[in-house]
Amino acid sequence: DAGVIQSPRHEVTEMGQEVTLRCKPISGHDYLFWYRQTMMRGLELLIYFNNNVPIDDSGMPEDRFSAKMPNASFSTLKIQPSEPRDSAVYFCASSLGLAKNIQYFGAGTRLSVL
Amino acid sequence: GDSVTQMEGPVTLSEEAFLTINCTYTATGYPSLFWYVQYPGEGLQLLLKATKADDKGSNKGFEATYRKETTSFHLEKGSVQVSDSAVYFCALSLYGNNRLAFGKGNQVVVIP
Repeated sequence: DAGVIQSPRHEVTEMGQEVTLRCKPISGHDYLFWYRQTMMRGLELLIYFNNNVPIDDSGMPEDRFSAKMPNASFSTLKIQPSEPRDSAVYFCASSLGLAKNIQYFGAGTRLSVL
Repeated sequence: GDSVTQMEGPVTLSEEAFLTINCTYTATGYPSLFWYVQYPGEGLQLLLKATKADDKGSNKGFEATYRKETTSFHLEKGSVQVSDSAVYFCALSLYGNNRLAFGKGNQVVVIP
């Protein structure tokens, strides 16, 4: 398997622009997670899905952030409008069921908002 | 709430030195415990895990023992290599909950 695939790897945008981050989980995995990593706050869980349904979005910082999972093989995290404080590395991870609890991470998207 | 605490600050050591990274946890139930490693420019990957008290997880020369009495899961390696330079994260999850609670991570730098 190719693992969790995220795109783009790097994104540079200007304040106020819309940003869309993409994730393809490992085939067959039924959980998908979005994280944000910064030096100040470390690794934060933003939202996670089970069988394409959002389960907990309490980590989403503001209404400017939204996430969707239209099918089992694709998810997006959108920021609109973007702000400089959104600059971070965003990771997607997937896992299979409850029993194993092992999450597999993508390589991340490094977002810079100027 | 459930949480993980890692020792503060980066760790710098020489090749072949002994490495210890401390991790303690707070949980209301009986969590599974994990160490994840993040190499430069990459995502996190599972290094080892333990699911119950006194279990020892091991991989690539790293070990950690689940200590319920001290609520700890310290990571150790007897002889580090330059290639072990990375950020190490301790994490926990409770049975029936697929979320992971991560510590802040420790940057490890191994000098030749």
